Amino acid sequence: DAGITQSPRHKVTETGTPVTLRCHQTENHRYMYWYRQDPGHGLRLIHYSYGVKDTDKGEVSDGYSVSRSKTEDFLLTLESATSSQTSVYFCAISESPGLNTEAFFGQGTRLTVV
Amino acid sequence: DAKTTQPNSMESNEEEPVHLPCNHSTISGTDYIHWYRQLPSQGPEYVIHGLTSNVNNRMASLAIAEDRKSSTLILHRATLRDAAVYYCILRDAARSGNTGKLIFGQGTTLQVKP
Repeated sequence: DAGITQSPRHKVTETGTPVTLRCHQTENHRYMYWYRQDPGHGLRLIHYSYGVKDTDKGEVSDGYSVSRSKTEDFLLTLESATSSQTSVYFCAISESPGLNTEAFFGQGTRLTVV
Repeated sequence: DAKTTQPNSMESNEEEPVHLPCNHSTISGTDYIHWYRQLPSQGPEYVIHGLTSNVNNRMASLAIAEDRKSSTLILHRATLRDAAVYYCILRDAARSGNTGKLIFGQGTTLQVKP
């Protein structure tokens, strides 16, 4: 199994508070991704990183920011959590963006905003 | 956009083969066909991928039609642990760009009966 650890695994937070989710990898893969999964929407890309300090937006990036100061860590921050950000968040890693390259996913973080 | 169509759900008996279909009639010549699955309460897991030829690995086989407009994921002997949502995903440069992102649909929910 690919070495991907997401923390925390579960979190309940109040509306308006900041929240940071962490993804840690031990595979030294260059590409890292944050997805969210909601009923009826499947998995959607929030942000991704193609190297240290190199990040870009995905399709549902509003309300989220990311940082990558080390190859192994990719942080997702909700600056001011809203109920619409209640979701399951998955981190993924990939060696390259090539079309024949596989991705590996973490176990997910279940976030509830009350 | 190259899109995929999968049945919402399928059932199988334990220890029998399972054929999971996927239609992708608008596939282009450079699109790769990927399959991922998601077990309950876990992150997606890579299963297999191919371009034109049939592919086999320890988890499954991928049969690709000659015109590439459809493919079938074959689980040779279903176990209870194979109960999951199976996603057929086209990896194409137009939609993935240089990001390596995966675009998930709703997938097929496979139930395996003992």
